[in-house]
Amino acid sequence: AQSVTQLGSHVSVSEGALVLLRCNYSSSVPPYLFWYVQYPNQGLQLLLKYTSAATLVKGINGFEAEFKKSETSFHLTKPSAHMSDAAEYFCAVSGSGGSYIPTFGRGTSLIVHP
Amino acid sequence: EAGVAQSPRYKIIEKRQSVAFWCNPISGHATLYWYQQILGQGPKLLIQFQNNGVVDDSQLPKDRFSAERLKGVDSTLKIQPAKLEDSAVYLCASSPAGQPQETQYFGPGTRLLVL
Repeated sequence: AQSVTQLGSHVSVSEGALVLLRCNYSSSVPPYLFWYVQYPNQGLQLLLKYTSAATLVKGINGFEAEFKKSETSFHLTKPSAHMSDAAEYFCAVSGSGGSYIPTFGRGTSLIVHP
Repeated sequence: EAGVAQSPRYKIIEKRQSVAFWCNPISGHATLYWYQQILGQGPKLLIQFQNNGVVDDSQLPKDRFSAERLKGVDSTLKIQPAKLEDSAVYLCASSPAGQPQETQYFGPGTRLLVL
């Protein structure tokens, strides 16, 4: 079965600092990987996704993620945090082992200090 | 293009009562998903529809939860009777064809509190 692990339930950064949110997946074959963002009292919105094309994926709002098969990781980064980036971030996986059922991680809350 | 609509946005009920949630997906999207998101956790898939047929409901507690998508468009999720542990946000999402690489589009969710 596929699974996703997000390290750190909370990440705190200063405005302008590097953002790094970690995601590791378990899969016997390269799956499809996603990062979604959830702002308070809203649904999830796609930031970016990996679908076996380029390993470095660029998304909205300056975020990017790199698929590393050897490390089974798909970490999310942004060079400079903005106050508006404060939200809950979810890593998700699908398509592993023929499964179409999407599996989400527990989420990482990003806190941005002025 | 209108997004995924859900109603109500908030609901407070007492345990053992029943409750229903409604979802209208993006027009033309064949696949509809219902998720349960408990506070501090990621969304957990309850049921996936492809048009008006069920693709997967393996994580749906069928003794108390039911869902339908009769005309392959909007959908209703029902809980009867509700338990305290059903307090959560219920998210509806849709995608064009249910392929694993597709983006899912989420509604704002219904926040349920069971007292």
